[in-house]
Amino acid sequence: QKEVEQNSGPLSVPEGAIASLNCTYSDRGSQSFFWYRQYSGKSPELIMSIYSNGDKEDGRFTAQLNKASQYVSLLIRDSQPSDSATYLCAVSAGTASKLTFGTGTRLQVTL
Amino acid sequence: GAVVSQHPSRVICKSGTSVKIECRSLDFQATTMFWYRQFPKQSLMLMATSNEGSKATYEQGVEKDKFLINHASLTLSTLTVTSAHPEDSSFYICSAKPREGGRARYTFGSGTRLTVV
Repeated sequence: QKEVEQNSGPLSVPEGAIASLNCTYSDRGSQSFFWYRQYSGKSPELIMSIYSNGDKEDGRFTAQLNKASQYVSLLIRDSQPSDSATYLCAVSAGTASKLTFGTGTRLQVTL
Repeated sequence: GAVVSQHPSRVICKSGTSVKIECRSLDFQATTMFWYRQFPKQSLMLMATSNEGSKATYEQGVEKDKFLINHASLTLSTLTVTSAHPEDSSFYICSAKPREGGRARYTFGSGTRLTVV
């Protein structure tokens, strides 16, 4: 069983719509959760971090965490073509622990 | 803040030679740096955790004698791919976390595209 699972996609959404990206993880001891955006040929860029159950909003992005279900999601409102990228979910067991990445979901925002 | 510089961004080398990749934290001190490898259309796989002043911790399946890591200071870690072969061609990315710990963010370098011919 993979430690961090994501649907590889591609997830295609029209411009202006809401994109919903999902991630599940297996380690119940996980404490820190991150969403990274990666453009082709580039290194990952941090989009959101979340540590407590519930929602966390930052601009067009909302991260949602449910530790009981071992589930974390990312919502992108008013999707733009520039949001087209691969979104990586990453999980850490603690503040000094390594990050474990999912395989990423490729998002395509169409005009 | 929290900028990580990685150099070179791209390197082509002949099979059998060695390549050194540098990772520097520019505006913070990092006691721990992480080295990842990413093959095309795959996710980041952690290779090793680099600790300042001590030996690196390698992930299972990663050859420590092939991938030499040196973390000589709080701002610099290097990865040397020794006797490189075409199967080592990949995107290598470093990551660093500020020394003060807490819920500090992991910052990634810009990556190094290694091609072994």
